[in-house]
Amino acid sequence: DAGVIQSPRHEVTEMGQEVTLRCKPISGHDYLFWYRQTMMRGLELLIYFNNNVPIDDSGMPEDRFSAKMPNASFSTLKIQPSEPRDSAVYFCASSQHRTIAGERNDEQFFGPGTRLTVL
Amino acid sequence: DAKTTQPPSMDCAEGRAANLPCNHSTISGNEYVYWYRQIHSQGPQYIIHGLKNNETNEMASLIITEDRKSSTLILPHATLRDTAVYYCIVRAQGAQKLVFGQGTRLTINP
Repeated sequence: DAGVIQSPRHEVTEMGQEVTLRCKPISGHDYLFWYRQTMMRGLELLIYFNNNVPIDDSGMPEDRFSAKMPNASFSTLKIQPSEPRDSAVYFCASSQHRTIAGERNDEQFFGPGTRLTVL
Repeated sequence: DAKTTQPPSMDCAEGRAANLPCNHSTISGNEYVYWYRQIHSQGPQYIIHGLKNNETNEMASLIITEDRKSSTLILPHATLRDTAVYYCIVRAQGAQKLVFGQGTRLTINP
């Protein structure tokens, strides 16, 4: 498998523009996560899905952010309108609920990230 | 999730064992200790996890104290490619969220 795929890898936009980040999880994985990483706040979870359904969006900073997962192989994170403080690296990760020898193993596999710069 | 405490930075010589400590004194009985690392400009990568027994895989060993209030990640023969930020995370079984702290920036020196 190619791993988690994110696009674009880099995005530079101007304040007020709409930004859409894309993610393709690993085939067969039933959980998908969106994280944001900044120097000030570190790595923080924004939202996660299970079987395409949003489960916890408490980390989404405000209404300008929205995430969707229309099917098991695709998710988007949209920012509208974008602001300079949204500049960060956005990571998508996926995992598979599985049990090995009676113990859950929910290892998350991360994509390479999208570096967003809002001018 | 229980809070973890890690030293902000560590150095280790190439070829030596790197021992990364983590304190999690408020860990609950059903919480696991997970370790991830993040190499520069890449996404985090899972290393290992454990509940109370010591664990070993192809990447590292995890030593958890008997009272489970602290643990140590051991990279037995560190290489330059092990230079990264290492995150110790406590997570309840069945919980999906990973709460990342500041981690330990490990530098392997030639």
